[in-house]
Amino acid sequence: GQQVMQIPQYQHVQEGEDFTTYCNSSTTLSNIQWYKQRPGGHPVFLIQLVKSGEVKKQKRLTFQFGEAKKNSSLHITATQTTDVGTYFCAGNYGGSQGNLIFGKGTKLSVKP
Amino acid sequence: ETGVTQSPTHLIKTRGQQVTLRCSSQSGHNTVSWYQQALGQGPQFIFQYYREEENGRGNFPPRFSGLQFPNYSSELNVNALELDDSALYLCASSLGPGRETQYFGPGTRLLVL
Repeated sequence: GQQVMQIPQYQHVQEGEDFTTYCNSSTTLSNIQWYKQRPGGHPVFLIQLVKSGEVKKQKRLTFQFGEAKKNSSLHITATQTTDVGTYFCAGNYGGSQGNLIFGKGTKLSVKP
Repeated sequence: ETGVTQSPTHLIKTRGQQVTLRCSSQSGHNTVSWYQQALGQGPQFIFQYYREEENGRGNFPPRFSGLQFPNYSSELNVNALELDDSALYLCASSLGPGRETQYFGPGTRLLVL
């Protein structure tokens, strides 16, 4: 079945270090979305990538979609304590439903 | 913050009981999807409603059912609650089914004892 794998499961960094989380799908995605969930909160939409090879930036966050539309990454430059949370990728395989298949998330902790 | 609201915020039930969770979609959105998020996991798709009809379902048993109303708000009903149903239940609304971005509400935390 359709599955989105996300690694690493946990990442502990010192404030100021960079952070990257990776997502991989065995089949081609229609698009991929990234969400951030703070402890005790709900997923908050960050970005959607649609085109093959697409790269989008939001301040210190850089999102990439692979050429084959099967993998994606989120890179945070110079992490801050406010970046703490779990980052989820969610793959959309198209079709009439458009339901999202979430990865298990990467939990980021930042040591000040 | 999105315009998606959910009620109640928290709920405690006992095994075998029934529960109804509610979701109001963002203005202009006609599609609502429901997800279950167990502790430490990513959200899992339960089903989606589009224009008051079920428009797809994930791998959940029939005791999980739903409704969508003419104003596009939605309900999730769970019968015969089991301990494993304890989770955060999220609804997400979108402009339509397909590839549109989904916006999540704050969720309902359900604890089954």
